[in-house]
Amino acid sequence: DAKTTQPNSMESNEEEPVHLPCNHSTISGTDYIHWYRQLPSQGPEYVIHGLTSNVNNRMASLAIAEDRKSSTLILHRATLRDAAVYYCILRAFSGNTPLVFGKGTRLSVIA
Amino acid sequence: DAGVIQSPRHEVTEMGQEVTLRCKPISGHNSLFWYRQTMMRGLELLIYFNNNVPIDDSGMPEDRFSAKMPNASFSTLKIQPSEPRDSAVYFCASGQTGSSGDTQYFGPGTRLTVL
Repeated sequence: DAKTTQPNSMESNEEEPVHLPCNHSTISGTDYIHWYRQLPSQGPEYVIHGLTSNVNNRMASLAIAEDRKSSTLILHRATLRDAAVYYCILRAFSGNTPLVFGKGTRLSVIA
Repeated sequence: DAGVIQSPRHEVTEMGQEVTLRCKPISGHNSLFWYRQTMMRGLELLIYFNNNVPIDDSGMPEDRFSAKMPNASFSTLKIQPSEPRDSAVYFCASGQTGSSGDTQYFGPGTRLTVL
């Protein structure tokens, strides 16, 4: 799997938008961009994924650069419950293969 | 659905003892994954199964580790004999190939402490 680069940590105020960046300059044409997050003392959970177009779901939005070498996970209004480690992961579309986790970004939310 | 179920949630054992971790995947899922998380190494894959068949066990640390999936609704990860360096949180995850994004659903984990 291609490598991703994320900041180690970020901080946000509650009810403010949060933009979590991810660089993946070696992404291949068939790699999907997945985001998972891990809340304290829990297993990772799926957030969102995309290929080329921007994506929205009830949890977040994913903005993908036109050259696909970077992407940004957007939490529109951070809450205290969003404090977690966020992982950006590239996956080739070839079935349910294992996830390769990096170190992720630890998001702190301040009340 | 109750989600992925793992047992026990916590296990404390002494070096040299056998440890068995259990996982019940989400009904209907055909892929099952065992991951381990430590402060030093982060989250890493140990082994995964498709349709109850082991596909890749290259992440299993050594012969002390073994995993089985006798049927679609149950898997075990066994460590025999256990060592202090096996202390970690072990996660089981399941997924359905071809479902939206091939999402994986993780259990709550088993925190293993080997004294």
